Amino acid sequence: DGGITQSPKYLFRKEGQNVTLSCEQNLNHDAMYWYRQDPGQGLRLIYYSQIVNDFQKGDIAEGYSVSREKKESFPLTVTSAQKNPTAFYLCASTMGGTSYEQYFGPGTRLTVT
Amino acid sequence: KNQVEQSPQSLIILEGKNCTLQCNYTVSPFSNLRWYKQDTGRGPVSLTIMTFSENTKSNGRYTATLDADTKQSSLHITASQLSDSASYICVVREQTGANNLFFGTGTRLTVIP
Repeated sequence: DGGITQSPKYLFRKEGQNVTLSCEQNLNHDAMYWYRQDPGQGLRLIYYSQIVNDFQKGDIAEGYSVSREKKESFPLTVTSAQKNPTAFYLCASTMGGTSYEQYFGPGTRLTVT
Repeated sequence: KNQVEQSPQSLIILEGKNCTLQCNYTVSPFSNLRWYKQDTGRGPVSLTIMTFSENTKSNGRYTATLDADTKQSSLHITASQLSDSASYICVVREQTGANNLFFGTGTRLTVIP
């Protein structure tokens, strides 16, 4: 059963703690993306990776970090430096390059108090 | 500046009625435009893609139109169902650049019995 999985669906953390969100895909897609979604705003790109062991900052990378050690996995770490981390986080993947449809995971709702 | 604007921000309609959602964009050079459906707390799912040469495309009860000259697209939903209640997001792809997707803020549609 192919697709993108994100875990956990809900995540709660105390302010000042780092937290890692998981994203796994078995679609054999080369490129993976992390977005943040806030009420009343469009999706904003945090980081993306077009190939293993390489990634680029998106529009709002400050306070976040990623790794791409395997093609299937693209975890996102929300660090304590992120000033407003509470949001809905979406992971996406695409076959290759930038011309293909992005397939989205189910999302992780992160709440930091 | 590349932008995507959607209207209305929210819409409530009776089950069985039709509705039309609007998307205006300034993205240039234009590659394609996608409409996504996003259920609450879930990831977006692609409904249809429009390229420069396409004026109309249907996917079941969903019909998308594109006017590349005026940079406008619409999504028409026929005979609405309760399951159509969701956010509908317009995403425009620019032809060049690796970070070349521009997201609208979405229209929140609620279908009531």
